[in-house]
Amino acid sequence: SQTIHQWPATLVQPVGSPLSLECTVEGTSNPNLYWYRQAAGRGLQLLFYSVGIGQISSEVPQNLSASRPQDRQFILSSKKLLLSDSGFYLCAYSPPGYTFGSGTRLTVV
Amino acid sequence: GQQLNQSPQSMFIQEGEDVSMNCTSSSIFNTWLWYKQDPGEGPVLLIALYKAGELTSNGRLTAQFGITRKDSFLNISASIPSDVGIYFCAGRGAQKLVFGQGTRLTINP
Repeated sequence: SQTIHQWPATLVQPVGSPLSLECTVEGTSNPNLYWYRQAAGRGLQLLFYSVGIGQISSEVPQNLSASRPQDRQFILSSKKLLLSDSGFYLCAYSPPGYTFGSGTRLTVV
Repeated sequence: GQQLNQSPQSMFIQEGEDVSMNCTSSSIFNTWLWYKQDPGEGPVLLIALYKAGELTSNGRLTAQFGITRKDSFLNISASIPSDVGIYFCAGRGAQKLVFGQGTRLTINP
């Protein structure tokens, strides 16, 4: 069966520190992978998506970057975090359907 | 870019009441999805709609894909306390999902 793993669940980082959030998918090959950010329990904003290894599309200009070093691994990174990077980050994959991970709550202090 | 207008933004109801929420778009989508998100968790798929005019039920939930392919609604009948959460509509275009801003449902026992 297909599963998606996202970690860590919570993270508190100082301003200016680097960031690395990891997402892995099991039980499927060549999935489309996505990173979303959600602020204050409201809508989800698509940050990046990837249709294959090394292929990254950015949806919004920002302080973050994404990489896909392996078929089922998607990483969200930053060299220097800003306060405005705080939020709830969700990884998702498709197909089939469109399934989300359990999220990472990032607080930048 | 594509945008979804989801309404209402929040609902406060009594246990046992029926709930109705909807989404409209200026763009046509090939798929409409409805998700529920509990606090601190990723969204979980409730219902997926793949054809214009399609009406689909999942227990007490019923959703319809509008005939114009630009709207969808979700109904919850006889609400119970565990229905509390944020409900999101999403329209699928190409490889990406576009999300509504969510409807926060609060139930008074």
